[in-house]
Amino acid sequence: GQNIDQPTEMTATEGAIVQINCTYQTSGFNGLFWYQQHAGEAPTFLSYNVLDGLEEKGRFSSFLSRSKGYSYLLLKELQMKDSASYLCAVSITGGGNKLTFGTGTQLKVEL
Amino acid sequence: ETGVTQTPRHLVMGMTNKKSLKCEQHLGHNAMYWYKQSAKKPLELMFVYSLEERVENNSVPSRFSPECPNSSHLFLHLHTLQPEDSALYLCASSQDSRDNEQFFGPGTRLTVL
Repeated sequence: GQNIDQPTEMTATEGAIVQINCTYQTSGFNGLFWYQQHAGEAPTFLSYNVLDGLEEKGRFSSFLSRSKGYSYLLLKELQMKDSASYLCAVSITGGGNKLTFGTGTQLKVEL
Repeated sequence: ETGVTQTPRHLVMGMTNKKSLKCEQHLGHNAMYWYKQSAKKPLELMFVYSLEERVENNSVPSRFSPECPNSSHLFLHLHTLQPEDSALYLCASSQDSRDNEQFFGPGTRLTVL
């Protein structure tokens, strides 16, 4: 089976940088997704990593190490609107586009 | 309408009722998904349809019955549900059933009394 771990909650200050970690144990790894979900809203896609390394997209970056079963999402220049749940999800080979999600990290951005 | 839409947004039903959730995607995608999101739990994949054929049934109880009449529409028929089935039901779509970004609808908040 698959196991995905991420912290339940994090708090950070507006303007700062925060790193949300995700570790996974899975067979047939075929990529890792990060989604953002505001309370009462649909999850929205942030990033996809399938090769080792850093993918940068504006204020958000995502890193993957396949050998370590580890990823992180880096948010820079935090804004109040970044307060949301951040979901880590793993795709496995042979599973079509079957994603296994972590429980999500609730990020609170404070003044 | 753009993206993925779901109706109703909120639903309250008794255990003996029959109701249906509707999802429609306007993205020209070929794959559609149903997920269940309960408080403090990960998103759980329930069903996957690719080109209107069910390709994944994740050990979901038979009181949940999906239907995909065409690539743009997906239904989840509900009957004799239990209070523990109360959750947010999310629909998603992707270009196909390989590893592509999934686009989620806003969800239906279901309460079973």
